[in-house]
Amino acid sequence: DIQMTQSPSSLSASVGDRVTITCRASQSISSYLNWYQQKSGKAPKLLIYAASGLQSGVPSRFSGSGSGTDFTLTISSLQPEDFATYYCQQSYSALPYTFGQGTKLEIK
Amino acid sequence: EVQLVESGGGLVQPGGSLRLSCAASGFTFSNFWMHWVRQAPGKGLVWVSRINSDGSSITYADFVKGRFTISRDNAKNTLYLQMNSLGAEDTAVYYCARGKGSGSEDYWGQGTLVTVSS
Repeated sequence: DIQMTQSPSSLSASVGDRVTITCRASQSISSYLNWYQQKSGKAPKLLIYAASGLQSGVPSRFSGSGSGTDFTLTISSLQPEDFATYYCQQSYSALPYTFGQGTKLEIK
Repeated sequence: EVQLVESGGGLVQPGGSLRLSCAASGFTFSNFWMHWVRQAPGKGLVWVSRINSDGSSITYADFVKGRFTISRDNAKNTLYLQMNSLGAEDTAVYYCARGKGSGSEDYWGQGTLVTVSS
C-alpha cells in the first residue's frame, strides 16, 4: 500500500493567517492527490483534486500544489469557517486509495 | 442537486451481518463510479471499496476482502455494501461517495453508523 503522511498533525492559527499543510507519499503518485475538509460530525468535502484542481464552489483562497511524492495545501487567508480537519488522499493506485492521518486546524 | 443518502446502519453483534444502502439522486447514477469510505469514532478516513459504473470492476481494501461485498442497482439508483463476519474493528461511520474522474470523491452522503458490540 502507498502510505500518506501529513504534517503537521495539528496546527493553531489565526483568522487571516496563511497556512500550509504538507502531504508526502511513500512512492511517486504523479498528480493523483486530493484534499478534503471535514468539519466535526459532517461528511468530508472535496477541496482539491489532481493535486491542483479547485473543486467547483470551493473558495479561491484554497490552493494545492506538488507532484511525485510531495504535495501542499495552502489556505491564503484563513477564515473562521476554515477551522476543520484536512485529509490528503492518493488515487494513483486503487489498491487502496489511502488517506493521510489528517491535520486538525484550530483557532489560536 | 446531488444527494446521497445512506441507510442500514445500526447495532450488530460480533460475527453478524448488515447491508448498507446508499440512495442516489440528482445525477445520472449509472454514469459514475461509487465508493464506500469509513471512519471509526475519533479516527481518520479509511477507503473501503469502489465499483465502476456498470458493476463490472470492483476493488476492496485488504481488510474487508472476503467479508464485504459492494454492488449496485442502476435501475434503482442505489449502491450497496453487504458486510459479513463483522468485528469490533468494523465499528465506524460508513460514507458512500461519488467518484470523480481523477479518482477523488466529489459528493458524499451524511454517513450511517455501524456499531459492532455484544
